[in-house]
Amino acid sequence: GQQLNQSPQSMFIQEGEDVSMNCTSSSIFNTWLWYKQDPGEGPVLLIALYKAGELTSNGRLTAQFGITRKDSFLNISASIPSDVGIYFCAGKKNYGQNFVFGPGTRLSVLP
Amino acid sequence: DAMVIQNPRYQVTQFGKPVTLSCSQTLNHNVMYWYQQKSSQAPKLLFHYYDKDFNNEADTPDNFQSRRPNTSFCFLDIRSPGLGDAAMYLCATSNRDFYTDTQYFGPGTRLTVL
Repeated sequence: GQQLNQSPQSMFIQEGEDVSMNCTSSSIFNTWLWYKQDPGEGPVLLIALYKAGELTSNGRLTAQFGITRKDSFLNISASIPSDVGIYFCAGKKNYGQNFVFGPGTRLSVLP
Repeated sequence: DAMVIQNPRYQVTQFGKPVTLSCSQTLNHNVMYWYQQKSSQAPKLLFHYYDKDFNNEADTPDNFQSRRPNTSFCFLDIRSPGLGDAAMYLCATSNRDFYTDTQYFGPGTRLTVL
C-alpha cells in the first residue's frame, strides 16, 4: 500500500505567492525525488535529494531532505501560471529498492 | 539529449484486442519500469526489469506482460485489454547501482479501450 503522504492535497494560490508542500512517511527514506506532472504528460523530475538535511534549489524551486529522514519539503517562490500541475514526491528506503510515490499535491495558480 | 521515449503517445484499441506499447531509452540505465496511472492518481508500478531480470508486482494482473530485448528497449503487452485498462502508461528508467539513483519518466502513452 501507499507509504507516503503529501500535504496539502490541493491548493489555490495567487500568482506571485510562495508555495510550500510536504511529503511525509512513517518510515525512513534515503532518497527523495520531487516531480511535476502536466496534464497528458509524464512526470518531470524537479529535484533529487540524497542526504538528510540536504537543501537543493532548481530556479525558483527549493527542496529539503528532512533531518529525521521521514519527510521532505518543496517550496516554490514567486509562483507563475506555468507552475500549475500536480507535484509528486517519491522516496526510496534502501539501496536496490523501488521508489514509492505520494498521492500528489495539485497546485492551481490564480492570475 | 539523453531521454526516455514512448511510442505511440496515444493508442486506441478494441476490447479484447492485444496491444503493445514501447519504450526506449538513451540513458543506458539498468532498470526499466512500467507504471499505470489513472485520473491524476499516483503512478502504480506494474513491473520492472533490472538488467534482464523481470520483477512483477504482486497485484499486477496476468493480462499485463513485458519484454526487454536489450538495454535500450522495453515493451508492455496487454493481452486482452478491458475497459478498466484505459489509462496512461508510463515508462521510467533508473540506474540502481548508483548511490544517487534517480528515476526518469517518458512522456507516457494514453490508452483508450473501445
